[in-house]
Amino acid sequence: AQSVSQHNHHVILSEAASLELGCNYSYGGTVNLFWYVQYPGQHLQLLLKYFSGDPLVKGIKGFEAEFIKSKFSFNLRKPSVQWSDTAEYFCAAWGYQKVTFGTGTKLQVIP
Amino acid sequence: DAGITQSPRHKVTETGTPVTLRCHQTENHRYMYWYRQDPGHGLRLIHYSYGVKDTDKGEVSDGYSVSRSKTEDFLLTLESATSSQTSVYFCAISESGPQHFGDGTRLSIL
Repeated sequence: AQSVSQHNHHVILSEAASLELGCNYSYGGTVNLFWYVQYPGQHLQLLLKYFSGDPLVKGIKGFEAEFIKSKFSFNLRKPSVQWSDTAEYFCAAWGYQKVTFGTGTKLQVIP
Repeated sequence: DAGITQSPRHKVTETGTPVTLRCHQTENHRYMYWYRQDPGHGLRLIHYSYGVKDTDKGEVSDGYSVSRSKTEDFLLTLESATSSQTSVYFCAISESGPQHFGDGTRLSIL
């Protein structure tokens, strides 16, 4: 069975700090990977996706993620966070018609 | 945003009563999903559908049933609601890969 692990449950950063959120997956076949963001009181929105090709994926709002197959990782990065990035971030893996989500990382950005 | 409507948006009900949540899409996507979101657990898949009348269980399907008689509608039913089913329920749709989510239904069972 596929699984997704997010090791950071709660991250607090000051504005302009750099961000890296960890995501590791366990899956036996070809895997498609995603990062979603959920702002308070809202539904999940897709930040970026990886299907194949260039392992460095750029998404919306200045986010990017790097797929490292040897480490089974798909970490999310942003060079300089803003207060408006305060949200919960979910890593997810898609395979066999289903998507498996990590437990999420809450990011709090302090002005 | 993708055309996904969940109804109702909020519901309070009593233990033992049946509850049905509706997800309606206007995108003609093949796949539809029901998740529940609880603090510390992220999103957990309840049931999903890969076509009309084609459904399968997710990781937390006990106590829930689903039906999909039309491409656009996916119903989630709690046959006899329990307090442990108090949660926020999200519907999602997908054609291949990325999912698009509805706004959620906040369900409280007293």
